[in-house]
Amino acid sequence: DQQVKQNSPSLSVQEGRISILNCDYTNSMFDYFLWYKKYPAEGPTFLISISSIKDKNEDGRFTVFLNKSAKHLSLHIVPSQPGDSAVYFCAASHFGNEKLTFGTGTRLTIIP
Amino acid sequence: SQTIHQWPATLVQPVGSPLSLECTVEGTSNPNLYWYRQAAGRGLQLLFYSVGIGQISSEVPQNLSASRPQDRQFILSSKKLLLSDSGFYLCAWSGGTVTYEQYFGPGTRLTVT
Repeated sequence: DQQVKQNSPSLSVQEGRISILNCDYTNSMFDYFLWYKKYPAEGPTFLISISSIKDKNEDGRFTVFLNKSAKHLSLHIVPSQPGDSAVYFCAASHFGNEKLTFGTGTRLTIIP
Repeated sequence: SQTIHQWPATLVQPVGSPLSLECTVEGTSNPNLYWYRQAAGRGLQLLFYSVGIGQISSEVPQNLSASRPQDRQFILSSKKLLLSDSGFYLCAWSGGTVTYEQYFGPGTRLTVT
């Protein structure tokens, strides 16, 4: 049972434009959500997170939006840069859970 | 600051051979520790996690095992490797119940031939 889903395996965006990566979840107990960025042959790097008490969190070029009623979150990258080309994973957890549940990832390619 | 180390970076092993991958964390105490595997073109699969010395939870039944002999040391082992054990193995740590964020090591690329 895939509780966290990233339905787009890949996405290509022109440099300077906005990249929007989407993630859906099914477990209503999830109350904390995270985005990770992963380059090939490296470990994932934590990017940004959001608690379910918020609907938006911003950090520089990265903004995460949470729609609890739709069980949907998205990561916006503005403006997109060539170094943003990587695989992006969303993850979720809930209070008292030591584990993260990861999506299957979206490969983002920024076209110069 | 906290750092996480994994070794070796790459490993090529024949089928049926043993395996030992090591992970250590510096700059924190009593972390939660995790082993993940990423198969080619796939997502991150949680294999084991530990909330303390000697405490191991297994997520996926398989021929791998994990041990935590010291507070900041996490070891992934196998007595006999299978071809299906090939993949990219990642160790991660978190601050336990204080925060949800996990921080990953550089990974080990294991190829079983």
